[in-house]
Amino acid sequence: DVKVTQSSRYLVKRTGEKVFLECVQDMDHENMFWYRQDPGLGLRLIYFSYDVKMKEKGDIPEGYSVSREKKERFSLILESASTNQTSMYLCASNKRIEGDEQFFGPGTRLTVL
Amino acid sequence: DQQVKQNSPSLSVQEGRISILNCDYTNSMFDYFLWYKKYPAEGPTFLISISSIKDKNEDGRFTVFLNKSAKHLSLHIVPSQPGDSAVYFCAAGLNEKLTFGTGTRLTIIP
Repeated sequence: DVKVTQSSRYLVKRTGEKVFLECVQDMDHENMFWYRQDPGLGLRLIYFSYDVKMKEKGDIPEGYSVSREKKERFSLILESASTNQTSMYLCASNKRIEGDEQFFGPGTRLTVL
Repeated sequence: DQQVKQNSPSLSVQEGRISILNCDYTNSMFDYFLWYKKYPAEGPTFLISISSIKDKNEDGRFTVFLNKSAKHLSLHIVPSQPGDSAVYFCAAGLNEKLTFGTGTRLTIIP
C-alpha cells in the first residue's frame, strides 16, 4: 500500500515563527508536491519536486520554500509565518510518468495566530 | 484565473439515483484528467482518470466523460450510496502537474 505521511495533523504557530512541515513517502516516487487547500479555492500547488535537490515553483510559492535532500522526504518551510498562511497543507507523490495519479497524505491543519 | 472550474459547490442526490458532477476547463493543452474524493480530515483519494484521447472511462459505479470540444468533463456515479457523500475535486494534468477545481460537496440522502 502506498503511504504518504505528514509529520503533524494539527499545528498552531505564532506570526513570525519559522514553520517546518515534513512529508515522507515509502513508494520510491520521483515526484513530490505541496498543496494548500482553502474553502472555495480548491487545492493550489505551492511547490513541486521531480528529483532530489530539484524543485519548481507552483502557482502560489510566495512566502514558502522547500527542501528535498532525500528521495523519500519533501519539506515545506514557512520562513516567517503569517495569518494568511492558515490553511490545510497537503503533500502528494507519484511516479515520474505523465498521467500517473498522485497519492496524498492526510494533511496538516496549520493555524497561525 | 481559474483554469479548472466546478460551478456547483454542492449537490444533493437521493440514494440509488445517479449523481452527476461537472467540471469545465479553459486550457486545451491539458492532456489527462482525474477525479478525487475527499472526506473531512483526510487527504484526497484517487477515483478515476481519463486521457485526452478518450471520451469515456468506466470503473464500477464510476464513469468519467470527456468532451474536448466543449472543454468539459463529468463524473457519473450510479447508483449513489451514502458512503459517496464527500467533496469531489476534478483535476487537469499537464507536464506531470495537476490543476484542481474548487470542489463539489456531494450529499447522498438515504
